[in-house]
Amino acid sequence: AQSVAQPEDQVNVAEGNPLTVKCTYSVSGNPYLFWYVQYPNRGLQFLLKYITGDNLVKGSYGFEAEFNKSQTSFHLKKPSALVSDSALYFCAVRDRGSQGNLIFGKGTKLSVKP
Amino acid sequence: DVKVTQSSRYLVKRTGEKVFLECVQDMDHENMFWYRQDPGLGLRLIYFSYDVKMKEKGDIPEGYSVSREKKERFSLILESASTNQTSMYLCASRSAAGELFFGEGSRLTVL
Repeated sequence: AQSVAQPEDQVNVAEGNPLTVKCTYSVSGNPYLFWYVQYPNRGLQFLLKYITGDNLVKGSYGFEAEFNKSQTSFHLKKPSALVSDSALYFCAVRDRGSQGNLIFGKGTKLSVKP
Repeated sequence: DVKVTQSSRYLVKRTGEKVFLECVQDMDHENMFWYRQDPGLGLRLIYFSYDVKMKEKGDIPEGYSVSREKKERFSLILESASTNQTSMYLCASRSAAGELFFGEGSRLTVL
């Protein structure tokens, strides 16, 4: 069965420092991977996706993610965090069965302090 | 830009009431979804629809039903609301490229 795990419930970073939000996945075959962000009391917004090609994927708001097949990971990164990046981040993998629906991780709360 | 609109941002209902949550998308997407979001549990799929009048159960369909009479509209129905259905409900539609576009969410409180 396809699954995705976000091992950290919360990540705390100082403004200006690099940030990493971790995600590991378990799929059969080649994965389709996604990152979404949710600001307080809002819906989820698409950040980036990996389908194929370059392992480093660039997305919205300066975020990028690195696909690592050997480690089955798709960590979200940003070189310099902003206070406004504080939000809930979800990793997702596309289920190859069940109409290709997305399976979401439980989310990681990112807190960026000034 | 794709827009997914959920009719109610905040609702307060009483146990046993019937609740309708409406969702409309404006990008002619075929696939639409209803999720509920609870702290520590992430997003869980309730129902989805891949065409008009078609519906499929997700992971937690019990206590819910859906209606898709028109392509742009996907409604979630709680026939008899219970306190354990207090949650944030998120509607989404999916593009041909596989991206989900979410509405702003409907926060339901059942007293």
